[in-house]
Amino acid sequence: AQSVTQLGSHVSVSEGALVLLRCNYSSSVPPYLFWYVQYPNQGLQLLLKYTSAATLVKGINDFEAEFKKSETSFHLTKPSAHMSDAAEYFCAVSDSNNNDMRFGAGTRLTVKP
Amino acid sequence: ETGVTQSPTHLIKTRGQQVTLRCSSQSGHNTVSWYQQALGQGPQFIFQYYREEENGRGNFPPRFSGLQFPNYSSELNVNALELDDSALYLCASSLESATNYGYTFGSGTRLTVV
Repeated sequence: AQSVTQLGSHVSVSEGALVLLRCNYSSSVPPYLFWYVQYPNQGLQLLLKYTSAATLVKGINDFEAEFKKSETSFHLTKPSAHMSDAAEYFCAVSDSNNNDMRFGAGTRLTVKP
Repeated sequence: ETGVTQSPTHLIKTRGQQVTLRCSSQSGHNTVSWYQQALGQGPQFIFQYYREEENGRGNFPPRFSGLQFPNYSSELNVNALELDDSALYLCASSLESATNYGYTFGSGTRLTVV
């Protein structure tokens, strides 16, 4: 079964600094990969998804992620952090054979002024 | 275009009771998936309903059951509540059952079992 591991339960960056949130996946078949963001007391919002097209995926709010098969990674980046980016971020994986989207444990991003 | 609406937003139940959570899917979506998110964890897949039929189930006991109605809204029912059932329950709708279509999540129902 597929799974994801998010490295680092907490990441803290200064406003304007690069954001890098790490995600490694495990899948026996070509995966679909997703990043979601969750603000306090809200549901999950899709940032971006990889579904076997371009390996560099651009999402909303200047986030992007690169699918690297050799490293089984799908790290999320943003060139310049904003205070409004402070939230919980979840990486998720599924494949075309099922509808069971598996989520990582999440990474809490803190942005310092 | 309305999003996914869940009700109630908060709920407190006693151990052993039964609870029903409701979800209205986004307009045009025929698939609803339910997730349980315990505090400090990622969401865990409970089950999915596609065109009123169960279409996949996670590792949850049979006391977790669901329904999908002709208008594609859905209910999650949990019988014989246990303390560990305390969590945020998320409903997600999508255009079709495959995950690559992308899910639209509701804000969730916070269930507390005492």
